[in-house]
Amino acid sequence: ETGVTQTPRHLVMGMTNKKSLKCEQHLGHNAMYWYKQSAKKPLELMFVYSLEERVENNSVPSRFSPECPNSSHLFLHLHTLQPEDSALYLCASGPRCSAGGLNYEQYFGPGTRLTVT
Amino acid sequence: AQTVTQSQPEMSVQEAETVTLSCTYDTSESDYYLFWYKQPPSRQMILVIRQEAYKQQNATENRFSVNFQKAAKSFSLKISDSQLGDAAMYFCAYRSALIGAGNNRKLIWGLGTSLAVNP
Repeated sequence: ETGVTQTPRHLVMGMTNKKSLKCEQHLGHNAMYWYKQSAKKPLELMFVYSLEERVENNSVPSRFSPECPNSSHLFLHLHTLQPEDSALYLCASGPRCSAGGLNYEQYFGPGTRLTVT
Repeated sequence: AQTVTQSQPEMSVQEAETVTLSCTYDTSESDYYLFWYKQPPSRQMILVIRQEAYKQQNATENRFSVNFQKAAKSFSLKISDSQLGDAAMYFCAYRSALIGAGNNRKLIWGLGTSLAVNP
């Protein structure tokens, strides 16, 4: 149990649907991340939030829309996805980067397996 | 740009034996962090071990240890006394220690090594 939960665990949606992925962390961290994991590709960092402010957006299509209402919750809103968006979406949290910090590891949730039909 | 290479897509080991997973990386930085993550079939990514580049001593966590060769940019993971529960995908990851926008937020990941443990 890593203290990061994600719901739903599995999601099947049509290309015209709108759905949201939810992530919640109970570790007192103030940075949260969305990753996309596809077969035979390295993990792709999608978004980074630090203290509820988006600090990084790695050229992710606008059909993915993140929301971070507070430091414990992170959402990924999905709209008009494509079949190639089918993947495992991982949420992670970690301590905010600072000059004094040494532990930069991230703690992952179990992921949401997304299938776009 | 930094890269991480795991040259072994699949490995297998007999239960109770020792196995070594390879990882090499490319960077021009002198200060950074290296990690091994484990992703079992349940899909929850778990940190196994981490190494600070400025430390010469190899990190060890119970049955897991690393062989960190900074000059060779090599960071292999050794699993001793392998157990059935060690079967998983293992990912090697790099993170810059530079302070600055974006630099130390990204983990650079390898493609992973799938480890099977045979009873």
